[in-house]
Amino acid sequence: QVQLQESGPGLVKPSQTLSLTCTVSGGSIRLTNYHWGWIRQPPGKGLEWIGSIYYSGSTYINPSLKSRVSISIDTSNNEFSLRLSSVTAADTAVYYCARHRSWTGARGGLDVWGQGTTAIVSS
Amino acid sequence: QSMLTQPPSSSGTPGQRVTISCSGGSSNIGINTVSWYQQLPGAAPKLLIYRNDQRSSGVPDRFSGSKSGTSASLAISGLQPEDEADYYCATWDDSLNGQVFGGGTKLTVL
Repeated sequence: QVQLQESGPGLVKPSQTLSLTCTVSGGSIRLTNYHWGWIRQPPGKGLEWIGSIYYSGSTYINPSLKSRVSISIDTSNNEFSLRLSSVTAADTAVYYCARHRSWTGARGGLDVWGQGTTAIVSS
Repeated sequence: QSMLTQPPSSSGTPGQRVTISCSGGSSNIGINTVSWYQQLPGAAPKLLIYRNDQRSSGVPDRFSGSKSGTSASLAISGLQPEDEADYYCATWDDSLNGQVFGGGTKLTVL
């Protein structure tokens, strides 16, 4: 079955750019029936949707983060990535990648999740 | 401040039935389907309910979802100790053009 795995540096300095990658195994990211998303969770807080991407490269981004977020997809390596610029301590969180349910676009529920990776913003 | 409002906490004793509410508005729950997630301590969220009332594969039928107007509910019957977790509702918001999550409800099994 499909599995997702996040990777990236655990520590980022304030004002720098956080870059994370989600590697998809057990299935192709190129399938036309799926969108792929990023979600984060600050320590002790709730979930926040960051954005989602389709294999074609089309994206939906949370308006509150739009000026700082870029999501891209690499179908040849079966992975998609998140870049968050100008980070502050408020961006410290567990970052999850996930798959939207089949044929629901970015609107649908997220049925497969990675285990999450912690990103800490600190000098 | 989340666009979807959930009670921060709920509790019940083993065997009891509990309900968790999720209140939204005309641009989200009112016109889109609702999903529910369970997050056990230290784990990634797990999709429990999709399309308002459909259980994900492997989810016990003790879990059920419903939607009416701009609100949704998750009911858990026959409460078990392993149900102690955080529960989140989520849906699409047409004004935001994005997914929104509720603030989460911490369920304690007494």
